[in-house]
Amino acid sequence: GQQLNQSPQSMFIQEGEDVSMNCTSSSIFNTWLWYKQDPGEGPVLLIALYKAGELTSNGRLTAQFGITRKDSFLNISASIPSDVGIYFCAGQLEWTNFGNEKLTFGTGTRLTIIP
Amino acid sequence: EAGVTQFPSHSVIEKGQTVTLRCDPISGHDNLYWYRRVMGKEIKFLLHFVKESKQDESGMPNNRFLAERTGGTYSTLKVQPAELEDSGVYFCASSPLQSGADTQYFGPGTRLTVL
Repeated sequence: GQQLNQSPQSMFIQEGEDVSMNCTSSSIFNTWLWYKQDPGEGPVLLIALYKAGELTSNGRLTAQFGITRKDSFLNISASIPSDVGIYFCAGQLEWTNFGNEKLTFGTGTRLTIIP
Repeated sequence: EAGVTQFPSHSVIEKGQTVTLRCDPISGHDNLYWYRRVMGKEIKFLLHFVKESKQDESGMPNNRFLAERTGGTYSTLKVQPAELEDSGVYFCASSPLQSGADTQYFGPGTRLTVL
């Protein structure tokens, strides 16, 4: 089946630093999404990307849909304590007539802020 | 509007026992998905309901797992008998029919521990 390789697995940074993480796939996706999971909660959508080459921002977050449709990155600028959590990339291959097809997730990047 | 809810939040059972997880989707959402995250790995798709019908059950690991959605509202996922490798966090998500990938909303998950 499809697999997403997400890196890095974990990051330890200081408050105020910028963060960058990415996902690559051996097959194409038509939609790329980035989620954040806080402890005890489910994943919450941060950014959705629908077109190859698309660059989208959401506050301090910026994500890009790779030209080949096989990769995506997420940048967080000027990190703050509430950015701590696990970030997941996800891809969706196609949209069926009934509704959304399943999402394929990466393994996650755990972000820790060092005081 | 209430989000996706899952019950229980935690379950600890012994190998060989049976456990039933429940998901209540957002009201009016016909798509319902089950996903699972085993420790440190990716969030993996299990199955997808459209109303009461199974649209895609390609991710179900084996016949010890049984998912139902009678009446097209809430869903249950039963594991019988549970094995050690079934431990993980089980997420449910829901979305409206014929909507984009950005409309899958996740519940907080059920953490299952099999001893």
